[in-house]
Amino acid sequence: DTEVTQTPKHLVMGMTNKKSLKCEQHMGHRAMYWYKQKAKKPPELMFVYSYEKLSINESVPSRFSPECPNSSLLNLHLHALQPEDSALYLCASSQYGRGPYEQYFGPGTRLTVT
Amino acid sequence: LAKTTQPISMDSYEGQEVNITCSHNNIATNDYITWYQQFPSQGPRFIIQGYKTKVTNEVASLFIPADRKSSTLSLPRVSLSDTAVYYCLVGDNNDYKLSFGAGTTVTVRA
Repeated sequence: DTEVTQTPKHLVMGMTNKKSLKCEQHMGHRAMYWYKQKAKKPPELMFVYSYEKLSINESVPSRFSPECPNSSLLNLHLHALQPEDSALYLCASSQYGRGPYEQYFGPGTRLTVT
Repeated sequence: LAKTTQPISMDSYEGQEVNITCSHNNIATNDYITWYQQFPSQGPRFIIQGYKTKVTNEVASLFIPADRKSSTLSLPRVSLSDTAVYYCLVGDNNDYKLSFGAGTTVTVRA
């Protein structure tokens, strides 16, 4: 199984809502990532987890809160978002020790903040 | 992280070979060169990675000259389904801050 799954596919939320994005992989990868991608722009790294611990936070606003409950699951909790946070949110994973460059990406969650 | 420069866009026709060159003048000794492909509204997909000379897999070839200051991704006999954005990334495999550049939009026409 070389698949990263993400749910939901689409999400519309108001600025006062709280929602969560979910990412799952069963490849035994111990590094997991969250990216944000705006239209016609490259993906931007948000967070990196290594062995379920947050190792990189790219100065992401606190309204985005990542969580890694176990080695297969990665969540992104969303609260009090702004319309400019509307984007495609991508999750990825890679084998720890093989470097970050061979990453497996999920299909993304298309988030719209109204 | 080494900065990369790629053409913004390239056009091709079905059956042709497409070559995308990426410049990375300040590549470091420990850096690898990696290419990803991304279709609209999908996550990027790893295509190929190399360190020097030539690497080939079932999808593409990667040519890296001796000075490693550039690299060329070669897509043989493209089809309409190869229309996508192609990203060149350069970095140390111990640095987890993966950074995507602007990418090259390849459009394949019939």
